[in-house]
Amino acid sequence: DTAVSQTPKYLVTQMGNDKSIKCEQNLGHDTMYWYKQDSKKFLKIMFSYNNKELIINETVPNRFSPKSPDKAHLNLHINSLELGDSAVYFCASSLSSGRAVAGELFFGEGSRLTVL
Amino acid sequence: SQKIEQNSEALNIQEGKTATLTCNYTNYSPAYLQWYRQDPGRGPVFLLLIRENEKEKRKERLKVTFDTTLKQSLFHITASQPADSATYLCALRRGRGGANNLFFGTGTRLTVIP
Repeated sequence: DTAVSQTPKYLVTQMGNDKSIKCEQNLGHDTMYWYKQDSKKFLKIMFSYNNKELIINETVPNRFSPKSPDKAHLNLHINSLELGDSAVYFCASSLSSGRAVAGELFFGEGSRLTVL
Repeated sequence: SQKIEQNSEALNIQEGKTATLTCNYTNYSPAYLQWYRQDPGRGPVFLLLIRENEKEKRKERLKVTFDTTLKQSLFHITASQPADSATYLCALRRGRGGANNLFFGTGTRLTVIP
């Protein structure tokens, strides 16, 4: 009965490779997000999707591309990986406005990406 | 841009005491503020939400205050236990609606010493 699940949990790869991280939520939420947590534990939003439309795209390199086949899934694809991409990536979901606790985020367990 | 500062990177307290964590922000006032707990190797978990028109919110041993004049939120854990040891993150939402404009602080790592 996992609420937000993301795979893989660990990913070790070489510079220049392309990789994807998958995320699925079974909470019936209509908004999903990708956050990046760096080595100093700072959590920064990268993307959010609402009803399959991108509604935030922070200043991340265009090597990063979110893909949402349906509102329960938001995958993160990264091209030409660089050393600085090493971090923990968290998927999250929430209900959009109009709800009693609008915006409370439910996070996945994180995917630790190490670029060598 | 919004700056969110949490009082210290790490806080150690004795079991049974009250832990008080601080979240200060600059610029605009958020519509509401949230607190999350993060354990090592895990994702953040939502704890409490307090709206701009609320002064205080409680949940079991947790209490959050919100002072929009001081631009500060305090997070209290009373009768602290070693199991409360974790990193606590505050997060601010600027306007109405969903979590679109959610900004996180850098967190405070709390250690409760038995």
